[in-house]
Amino acid sequence: AQKVTQAQTEISVVEKEDVTLDCVYETRDTTYYLFWYKQPPSGELVFLIRRNSFDEQNEISGRYSWNFQKSTSSFNFTITASQVVDSAVYFCALSEAGTGNQFYFGTGTSLTVIP
Amino acid sequence: EAQVTQNPRYLITVTGKKLTVTCSQNMNHEYMSWYRQDPGLGLRQIYYSMNVEVTDKGDVPEGYKVSRKEKRNFPLILESPSPNQTSLYFCASVSWGGRTEAFFGQGTRLTVV
Repeated sequence: AQKVTQAQTEISVVEKEDVTLDCVYETRDTTYYLFWYKQPPSGELVFLIRRNSFDEQNEISGRYSWNFQKSTSSFNFTITASQVVDSAVYFCALSEAGTGNQFYFGTGTSLTVIP
Repeated sequence: EAQVTQNPRYLITVTGKKLTVTCSQNMNHEYMSWYRQDPGLGLRQIYYSMNVEVTDKGDVPEGYKVSRKEKRNFPLILESPSPNQTSLYFCASVSWGGRTEAFFGQGTRLTVV
């Protein structure tokens, strides 16, 4: 079974619109970490955020915000007032204490921001 | 500066010609791993290493070999590459604990013809 599900394969929005990327995870561990990475067209993976399982506080960083809800096993990512430079593939990932340092990645969501 | 260095960035090779993709990290991490990225499949783990001389298979190990003779280096070896190994490859070095994070190399785009 997929440990990290990103149901949205592709999303297109017009510049300045808000967009939310969904991430649902599955784990039996009580200690785990959740991540979001951005992959721009140049191909490298850029770390955006890490959240541990004991900290359900939502986080905001500029136009980016993350909503972590253990009750629904979700870790969604919202971009406010999207810009063309936000066009990229975004990956959600899970790392569990019980499986050592292995990272499980979702299949990614390709976001296109149309000017 | 924390860094994972992968080489080469781009490689075109022919079927059956052995190749090695190098990966080096400067963070003294014990855990390193290799992933391949294919459209619609996300990143899938090929091999990982918990420490020097300790390696294990990930989800898609067939056709690959690795070695971990030193902590900083974790090369990926394709003994006899085939076209289905055409992919984008990433090396990762992982810190664990309160600052758990995977640091990725720049990626290697491999084409096997």
